[in-house]
Amino acid sequence: QVQLVESGGGVVQPGRSLRLSCAASGFTFSSYGMHWVRQAPGKGLEWVALIWYDGTNKYYADSVKGRFTISRDNSKNTLFLQMNSLRVEDTAVYYCAREGGVPIFFDYWGQGTLVTVSS
Amino acid sequence: DIQMTQSPSSLSASVGDRVTITCRASQSISNYLNWYQQKPGKAPKLLIYAASSLQSGVPSRFRGSGSGTDFTLTISSLQPEDFATYYCQQSYSTPPERTFGQGTKLEIK
Repeated sequence: QVQLVESGGGVVQPGRSLRLSCAASGFTFSSYGMHWVRQAPGKGLEWVALIWYDGTNKYYADSVKGRFTISRDNSKNTLFLQMNSLRVEDTAVYYCAREGGVPIFFDYWGQGTLVTVSS
Repeated sequence: DIQMTQSPSSLSASVGDRVTITCRASQSISNYLNWYQQKPGKAPKLLIYAASSLQSGVPSRFRGSGSGTDFTLTISSLQPEDFATYYCQQSYSTPPERTFGQGTKLEIK
């Protein structure tokens, strides 16, 4: 069955960096676009970034553009989110999600990993 | 940027009630509208895609409708497991920013 498992979250000081991973299994990872979505404590869902199935195109929310980088390693079935210059407002649970094709929707989600940015 | 606005933000209802949640887009998005359910401490779950298509395994009491800018999610007869937060999401925009609505929290009356 499809599984997405995030890791790499933790507590980090403002201005520092963190790299999240999302290990995929149960499907042909290299055939699907993948997303990161975050949720600040007690708040709603915020789309963060998208990477095409082959890694050729990447898109970001304005709130993270220039600071976060999405990438993938299709040989290892793994999605990444490199987060630099972290801010207190980046504190959130970060989910990876699979884009289920056309029409576009997110059909599988990981369990999330918590990132806390605090001094 | 396309903005998504849900109403109400919260809703109290009883088991067996019929409830409707509304989602409005700031511009036409055709039928590129999805609905998700999220329970506390859990990842969101896809309910409806393309405005009205029921995701596999989702009970038929969930129904989505609408096109253009106005959409609704209707739950025909609330069950105890339906009390959760519901989010709409647009998948129309280019470049592809997959914006969510702010959520509607459905609580037990």
